Amino acid sequence: DAEITQSPRHKITETGRQVTLACHQTWNHNNMFWYRQDLGHGLRLIHYSYGVQDTNKGEVSDGYSVSRSNTEDLPLTLESAASSQTSVYFCASSDFGSSYEQYFGPGTRLTVT
Amino acid sequence: AQSVTQLGSHVSVSEGALVLLRCNYSSSVPPYLFWYVQYPNQGLQLLLKYTSAATLVKGINGFEAEFKKSETSFHLTKPSAHMSDAAEYFCAVSDRYNFNKFYFGSGTKLNVKP
Repeated sequence: DAEITQSPRHKITETGRQVTLACHQTWNHNNMFWYRQDLGHGLRLIHYSYGVQDTNKGEVSDGYSVSRSNTEDLPLTLESAASSQTSVYFCASSDFGSSYEQYFGPGTRLTVT
Repeated sequence: AQSVTQLGSHVSVSEGALVLLRCNYSSSVPPYLFWYVQYPNQGLQLLLKYTSAATLVKGINGFEAEFKKSETSFHLTKPSAHMSDAAEYFCAVSDRYNFNKFYFGSGTKLNVKP
């Protein structure tokens, strides 16, 4: 069955370190998204991509970057981790078409100490 | 940008009672609307979606939602709550120009009492 996987599922890192969160989907979807989930804020969009070599900033992109070198993967990099980036991160994917629904991965809980 | 408002961060109902979770959005153009459910330590799962067909949308697990353009609302209901419905529920709306891009509400945590 097609799925989205995220790794690691839990990560503890120190302030100032570079961190990369992996997202891999086997749906063969063109669109991929990164969100962060914080209490009282729901999900907020960090970055998104509509295909290979395409990346776009979301509403909370400062301090994060992504690159899309193939259809299946969209890694999220925190250039210099800050305590404000402690959160749960979700990757999602969707395809162009009439449904637009997004399929979500299980999430990565990141703690920056 | 769109905004989505979910009234009530916590809702508590008794088992067998009606579930009503509220969602209002800001848009003059009816977008696509979605309800997702999140169980503890899991990702989001699609419950139902409105894509400009019927205004009453039926989803999984007995949930349904009604799109009301005049009220810019898309409230989620279930006639009879079950213990397994305890979860957090998120309303999402697509961007009015870019349907692939979503805006999420802040979520409503549903508690079901025995």
